[in-house]
Amino acid sequence: DAGVIQSPRHEVTEMGQEVTLRCKPISGHNSLFWYRQTMMRGLELLIYFNNNVPIDDSGMPEDRFSAKMPNASFSTLKIQPSEPRDSAVYFCASSLALLVGGGETQYFGPGTRLLVL
Amino acid sequence: AQTVTQSQPEMSVQEAETVTLSCTYDTSENNYYLFWYKQPPSRQMILVIRQEAYKQQNATENRFSVNFQKAAKSFSLKISDSQLGDTAMYFCAFLTNRDDKIIFGKGTRLHILP
Repeated sequence: DAGVIQSPRHEVTEMGQEVTLRCKPISGHNSLFWYRQTMMRGLELLIYFNNNVPIDDSGMPEDRFSAKMPNASFSTLKIQPSEPRDSAVYFCASSLALLVGGGETQYFGPGTRLLVL
Repeated sequence: AQTVTQSQPEMSVQEAETVTLSCTYDTSENNYYLFWYKQPPSRQMILVIRQEAYKQQNATENRFSVNFQKAAKSFSLKISDSQLGDTAMYFCAFLTNRDDKIIFGKGTRLHILP
């Protein structure tokens, strides 16, 4: 079975540009999570969806960040405009959460390494 | 608020030795889940092992086992017969049954030396 798929794997862009990160969760999983990893802050949960509905976006840093999940097999995380401090590895993860708080294991994608110059 | 603490930022052991990574957590919840994830240099986050708090038996996955002490809020990972491929950052993680938000520790960087 294919795992969580993320694209692109690497992205280099200039400050002010729009960045779109993409994620395809594991087929059949109904929860999707976006994380950001930096040396300073470690792994941070940005937002998560259950059945395509955003459940908690309290981790989204600011209005420059937005996430969508138009269907069960696709999600995007957009940064507009991007800034150098957004440079990080962005992970997408998915799980089969039969109910909220079910303790289901999250499976991670390979990550997108973003560098904003 | 729940917290996860990994007190060992970095460790090194010789190949074939046994190593234990420490993790403590703080919560007022009674039902929760604990995980160890491995992040090798490739940056991929890989689930190593999972423990449900209501289970008294310690989880085991081949060379990986945990020592879960619920009263002490401790969840250590033991790697037996360590291999070069075990070199990675290891994250301890906590999940309540209130929502699906995993809380990660800061990680322990483990080096397996030949």
